[in-house]
Amino acid sequence: QKEVEQNSGPLSVPEGAIASLNCTYSDRGSQSFFWYRQYSGKSPELIMSIYSNGDKEDGRFTAQLNKASQYVSLLIRDSQPSDSATYLCAVNMWEGGSYIPTFGRGTSLIVHP
Amino acid sequence: DAGITQSPRHKVTETGTPVTLRCHQTENHRYMYWYRQDPGHGLRLIHYSYGVKDTDKGEVSDGYSVSRSKTEDFLLTLESATSSQTSVYFCAISNTGEGTDTQYFGPGTRLTVL
Repeated sequence: QKEVEQNSGPLSVPEGAIASLNCTYSDRGSQSFFWYRQYSGKSPELIMSIYSNGDKEDGRFTAQLNKASQYVSLLIRDSQPSDSATYLCAVNMWEGGSYIPTFGRGTSLIVHP
Repeated sequence: DAGITQSPRHKVTETGTPVTLRCHQTENHRYMYWYRQDPGHGLRLIHYSYGVKDTDKGEVSDGYSVSRSKTEDFLLTLESATSSQTSVYFCAISNTGEGTDTQYFGPGTRLTVL
């Protein structure tokens, strides 16, 4: 079964620190990777997508992809209390003729003042 | 925000009753998905649709059926609700279903089966 694994946390970091969130996936052929943020009681919202090996930066967020190691990460610089949320890693996996998004269980991030 | 609505937003029902949840989109996206989210399990795919009348099963499809008679509407039906189907249900849409396609989520429906 194709899987996406994340540490459930919680990951607790002080305000202003770098938060590092990690994700591994089982399907070596996967090409597209996404990070969603989900606040408590709300729906997931896309914050980053990455398709090529290396780093992709967007403001305080950096996504990192290493396909050889089947590993994708999200770095949040200068963490703020408003970043406290659950972060979901998603991978589009080819199955049955379609790309099916598969989600990890999410990592809970707590940024304390 | 993507134009996705779900109805109802909250529902309490009793074991054995049928329940239908509705997802409506105004984006004319081809793909639509139903997920359930439970503590410790993350988002799990129930069913998805790749066009009108074209649907397929996801990871946790037992006890659920879906229908899509129009591009904008995707219905999820619990034929006979059980307590194990108490969950938060999210609808999502995507445009092409290609590998780089991203999903946009509706606000969710909280279902409680007593």
